[in-house]
Amino acid sequence: AQTVTQSQPEMSVQEAETVTLSCTYDTSESDYYLFWYKQPPSRQMILVIRQEAYKQQNATENRFSVNFQKAAKSFSLKISDSQLGDAAMYFCAYRWGGSNYKLTFGKGTLLTVNP
Amino acid sequence: EPEVTQTPSHQVTQMGQEVILRCVPISNHLYFYWYRQILGQKVEFLVSFYNNEISEKSEIFDDQFSVERPDGSNFTLKIRSTKLEDSAMYFCASSERGSTNEKLFFGSGTQLSVL
Repeated sequence: AQTVTQSQPEMSVQEAETVTLSCTYDTSESDYYLFWYKQPPSRQMILVIRQEAYKQQNATENRFSVNFQKAAKSFSLKISDSQLGDAAMYFCAYRWGGSNYKLTFGKGTLLTVNP
Repeated sequence: EPEVTQTPSHQVTQMGQEVILRCVPISNHLYFYWYRQILGQKVEFLVSFYNNEISEKSEIFDDQFSVERPDGSNFTLKIRSTKLEDSAMYFCASSERGSTNEKLFFGSGTQLSVL
């Protein structure tokens, strides 16, 4: 069974600084996708960034980037130039390529951004 | 951006009662999902639904649960006889084609409290 582990229950960062959130996963599949979702106080789950396992290049979306280490099964999220609006719960998630969007989530990391 | 709408935002029910959680997916989406998050635990997949039938379900989704698309816009999750352990945040989600490279849209959730 696939598992996703986020070892940091809480993280904090100063506004304008950079923070990295950790995620590791376990799978025996070769075709899969990895995601970071943000859950602000509004509770809505918002996709931040997505990585296809077959792509070697790390995904980037503006201030958000990932460090995808396939052999180590690691998928960390880097937030650059942190903003107050980045404060939220961040979930790492895994999806097997043969599944109909059945996501397996980690327990989440609560990010606080200090002014 | 289009949104998935869930109602109500918070529902309280007595143990043993039936409850129906309602969702309005994005209008041109064809794949629908329910996830839940028990307080302090991971977000868990419950079920995916396409073409008026369940396409995938987890071991959590037992006979107490059912899903339905009663008309062209609503997607519902019914719990027949609620238990205390059904207390959780329930998220509805939808995607346009269910394909691997597209975005999954989540609603803001319904907090179900079973007393």
